[in-house]
Amino acid sequence: DIVMTQSPDSLAVSLGERATINCKSSQSVLSRSNSKNYLTWYQQKPGQPPKLLIYWASTRESGVPDRFSGSGSGTDFTLTISSLQAEDVAIYYCQQYYSNPPWTFGQGTKVEIK
Amino acid sequence: QVQLQESGPGLVKPSETLSLTCTVSGGSVSSGSYYWNWVRQPPGKRLEWIGFIYYSGNTNYNPSLKSRVTISLDASKNQFSLKLSSLTAADTAVYYCARAPLSGSALGYFDSWGQGTLVTVSS
Repeated sequence: DIVMTQSPDSLAVSLGERATINCKSSQSVLSRSNSKNYLTWYQQKPGQPPKLLIYWASTRESGVPDRFSGSGSGTDFTLTISSLQAEDVAIYYCQQYYSNPPWTFGQGTKVEIK
Repeated sequence: QVQLQESGPGLVKPSETLSLTCTVSGGSVSSGSYYWNWVRQPPGKRLEWIGFIYYSGNTNYNPSLKSRVTISLDASKNQFSLKLSSLTAADTAVYYCARAPLSGSALGYFDSWGQGTLVTVSS
């Protein structure tokens, strides 16, 4: 199975400041056939299910604010919140869907307000 | 807008079989554009994909659970279901049903989720 490792486990950022979350996969999730990275990001608030933010590593889901962006390729990926808002307090997960299942998730990164 | 809702018992005894159902509204489980999944989250742990079913009946399960899992689909009720046997305390988790869109030939991310249901395995 592909192991997903996120860093840091938690971070505290001031309102309006940038938050950066990293995700590393144990093997590449870049497909040579279509040059796409099979990597997605979710946001989970307490008592709620995960919400899809970004897929194909950098494609924002419809309705997701543009302060959320994804980048990276191969094995190293980043989710950036350009200007942290109070409603962004949550746990963020990366997930790979490369090739055949099982699809696997990172352990999560908790974002709080400093 | 599609909505998914899990239903089933919140408490199950060790060694018994868990049965959960996901009811889909605003969309059809018979759509060829989506796969229907179960994902779980043990308390304080990462999310774990359990398996999926396609409208054709095609299934795929996480190898770590494959011997204990069955996912089925009832198109007449617009539902799909999960059965997990030989339960232990390690199966205590919030269980989610989720939809995965078929994007070209690729799938595996989840664009809609149910609210989740907590299942506790305890005598």
